[in-house]
Amino acid sequence: GDSVTQMEGPVTLSEEAFLTINCTYTATGYPSLFWYVQYPGEGLQLLLKATKADDKGSNKGFEATYRKETTSFHLEKGSVQVSDSAVYFCALSAGSNYKLTFGKGTLLTVNP
Amino acid sequence: NAGVTQTPKFQVLKTGQSMTLQCAQDMNHNSMYWYRQDPGMGLRLIYYSASEGTTDKGEVPNGYNVSRLNKREFSLRLESAAPSQTSVYFCATRGETSYEQYFGPGTRLTVT
Repeated sequence: GDSVTQMEGPVTLSEEAFLTINCTYTATGYPSLFWYVQYPGEGLQLLLKATKADDKGSNKGFEATYRKETTSFHLEKGSVQVSDSAVYFCALSAGSNYKLTFGKGTLLTVNP
Repeated sequence: NAGVTQTPKFQVLKTGQSMTLQCAQDMNHNSMYWYRQDPGMGLRLIYYSASEGTTDKGEVPNGYNVSRLNKREFSLRLESAAPSQTSVYFCATRGETSYEQYFGPGTRLTVT
């Protein structure tokens, strides 16, 4: 079945540091890939997405590129802020029912 | 325009009690989903509904029932709560032309 494996946390960075959270996937067919973010006490929000190979999703300074050859969708940001502290989930959607399969989440804490 | 709302926000039950978690959306979406979030497990799909009057099991349906009352509302019922059902429950919706799911704020349920 479909699965998503993402970097285990927690990840702790200083403000303005470079962020990478690794994500790899296993899926039949050609999935769409997503990063969701969950701020403390809130539900999940879509951060960015990519629907086909070599697409780059970007939002709020975050980027991720759909790499079919390595089945990866790593999340990056050049300079993190304290306000980026949250849990980040990598997810895929494949098949006609559009169900999402999530990774386990990575807790990011950014210190001033 | 409230998006996706969930009630209650918090609930404590004793083992064997029953309750219904409510979800409503004003986004005019056909598809709705129930997930549970547990530490280190990411989000797992309990049930989903592709349209009014239809429901299907997800990854972890045991111990739950759902009702798609109308296009707006999708409820999740625990008939006899167990401590293993202590979790945070999220409802989500999806529009027809997008893979993106929109999440409610969640219900934190504790079963003692």
